[in-house]
Amino acid sequence: DVKVTQSSRYLVKRTGEKVFLECVQDMDHENMFWYRQDPGLGLRLIYFSYDVKMKEKGDIPEGYSVSREKKERFSLILESASTNQTSMYLCASSVIDTGEGEAFFGQGTRLTVV
Amino acid sequence: GENVEQHPSTLSVQEGDSAVIKCTYSDSASNYFPWYKQELGKGPQLIIDIRSNVGEKKDQRIAVTLNKTAKHFSLHITETQPEDSAVYFCAVPEGYSTLTFGKGTMLLVSP
Repeated sequence: DVKVTQSSRYLVKRTGEKVFLECVQDMDHENMFWYRQDPGLGLRLIYFSYDVKMKEKGDIPEGYSVSREKKERFSLILESASTNQTSMYLCASSVIDTGEGEAFFGQGTRLTVV
Repeated sequence: GENVEQHPSTLSVQEGDSAVIKCTYSDSASNYFPWYKQELGKGPQLIIDIRSNVGEKKDQRIAVTLNKTAKHFSLHITETQPEDSAVYFCAVPEGYSTLTFGKGTMLLVSP
């Protein structure tokens, strides 16, 4: 069974903390994505990566960074968490051409910044 | 970039009724159009997709239709059941390696 696994389902962090969200996929996919989901705003792309050590900004990269040191792992980093980063974060992976197949999602991490 | 608009944002139906969700897109080069379903507490999951060489695809109670000329595609669910209650997203590939999603439709099926 194919899987994208996010390290935490729920996180509560304090303002100003450095936060790491981890994602691992076992499908040998080239692409990995981080989305943020907020009510009424849908899924907004934060960053994506199409290869190890490669990263591209999505629509809302401000306040975030990413790391992809291994093909199966993609980390999202909040350098200094703020309350407006309270959200649901979704990791996904896919084959290199998103026009050729399904994107697989993790179960999501609900982050609350207090 | 790709602009994907999805309507309606919420949809309430009675069990057994049909539900239709529509998406429009802006990039005429798009050739692949998936629909995702997100159940409560889970990540989105692909339920059906269509490629531009066909106008309609069915899978049991679910169908997707595509009008490339008008740049829109629709999800049709017939004989809705309470377990169809979820948030549905359309998506369109943007460039080579990204997907742009619609804002989602919350479907509520009442028994």
